[in-house]
Amino acid sequence: DVKVTQSSRYLVKRTGEKVFLECVQDMDHENMFWYRQDPGLGLRLIYFSYDVKMKEKGDIPEGYSVSREKKERFSLILESASTNQTSMYLCASSLFWAGEGKLFFGSGTQLSVL
Amino acid sequence: AQTVTQSQPEMSVQEAETVTLSCTYDTSESDYYLFWYKQPPSRQMILVIRQEAYKQQNATENRFSVNFQKAAKSFSLKISDSQLGDAAMYFCAYRILVTSGTYKYIFGTGTRLKVLA
Repeated sequence: DVKVTQSSRYLVKRTGEKVFLECVQDMDHENMFWYRQDPGLGLRLIYFSYDVKMKEKGDIPEGYSVSREKKERFSLILESASTNQTSMYLCASSLFWAGEGKLFFGSGTQLSVL
Repeated sequence: AQTVTQSQPEMSVQEAETVTLSCTYDTSESDYYLFWYKQPPSRQMILVIRQEAYKQQNATENRFSVNFQKAAKSFSLKISDSQLGDAAMYFCAYRILVTSGTYKYIFGTGTRLKVLA
């Protein structure tokens, strides 16, 4: 059974802290994505990566960075967490040549920044 | 700008009845994929149905079907014989090619579907 695993289901951090959200997939997918989900705004793409050490900005990259040192792992970094980064974060993966295009999701990390 | 619009933040349907969720999108691409994803309270996103833009025939998956109108850039989801387990947030999405040669996915704002017993 294919899997995308996010390291934490719930996370509480303080303003100004450096926060790491981790995502691991076991499907040998080239593409990995980070979205944030907010009520009324849907899913918005933060960053995505199509290969190790390769990344592209999504629609809302400000305040975030990413790291992809290994194919199976994609990390989202909040350099200095702020209250407006309180949100649900979803990781997803897919094949580079996406074929019929199925996106596989993790179960999300609900981050609260106090 | 590439956007997906879901104009119904919330919908309700009686169990066993039919409901249609609407979605419009904006793209200049000629070939693309469209998707409906379901997110139940567990938060796990589940692919409901997908449609490739060059296929004129509307996709169906059991009780779920789409009405794809390419010229109008409309992609609505019809759920027949609604069940309590259909209650969830539904997201419309499409996939577009990016400069690196791979794809990214643009999502709408979602429609929360309530199923009434």
